Amino acid sequence: DAGVIQSPRHEVTEMGQEVTLRCKPISGHNSLFWYRQTMMRGLELLIYFNNNVPIDDSGMPEDRFSAKMPNASFSTLKIQPSEPRDSAVYFCASSLGRGETQYFGPGTRLLVL
Amino acid sequence: GQQLNQSPQSMFIQEGEDVSMNCTSSSIFNTWLWYKQDPGEGPVLLIALYKAGELTSNGRLTAQFGITRKDSFLNISASIPSDVGIYFCAGSLSSGAGSYQLTFGKGTKLSVIP
Repeated sequence: DAGVIQSPRHEVTEMGQEVTLRCKPISGHNSLFWYRQTMMRGLELLIYFNNNVPIDDSGMPEDRFSAKMPNASFSTLKIQPSEPRDSAVYFCASSLGRGETQYFGPGTRLLVL
Repeated sequence: GQQLNQSPQSMFIQEGEDVSMNCTSSSIFNTWLWYKQDPGEGPVLLIALYKAGELTSNGRLTAQFGITRKDSFLNISASIPSDVGIYFCAGSLSSGAGSYQLTFGKGTKLSVIP
């Protein structure tokens, strides 16, 4: 069975550019989570959705970050405009029902120059 | 907010040795989870604990949910080179809003010397 799919796996961009990260959760899962991982701060929850509805976006760093989940099988995290401090690994995870057992994707490694 | 203290931050052990790491929290959790992250990959769930006092094994891995619900430990017996990676604990307390949020520890980086 396919796990959580993320694309791209790597992204290098210049400051000021728009970045869009994509996630396909595990089929049947109805909770989706976006995390950011850095050496300094570890894994941080940015936002999570339940049944395609954003439940808590208090972890989103600032207005430059936005996330959407137009349907049960697709979500995007957008950064506009990007800044060097946004460089990190961004993970998407999904879980079944209200289950807390989350399954992570392989991550997108973002470098903003 | 809730904070998790995970220790040790890193470990260097000989192949064949047993390993122990733990997490403590400033507040209670309903669920404790242990993940392993290999370089360049996402965290992979190892063990999930749902009840205070619960002791669960997964092969050479054993984890326990502390009675106070504020701590958990993970043991790895007879370590092998492929155990190398970063191990994360995570705690969950239902938000009641439709899904569970996880609070992660900072990780324990394990190195195994052949």
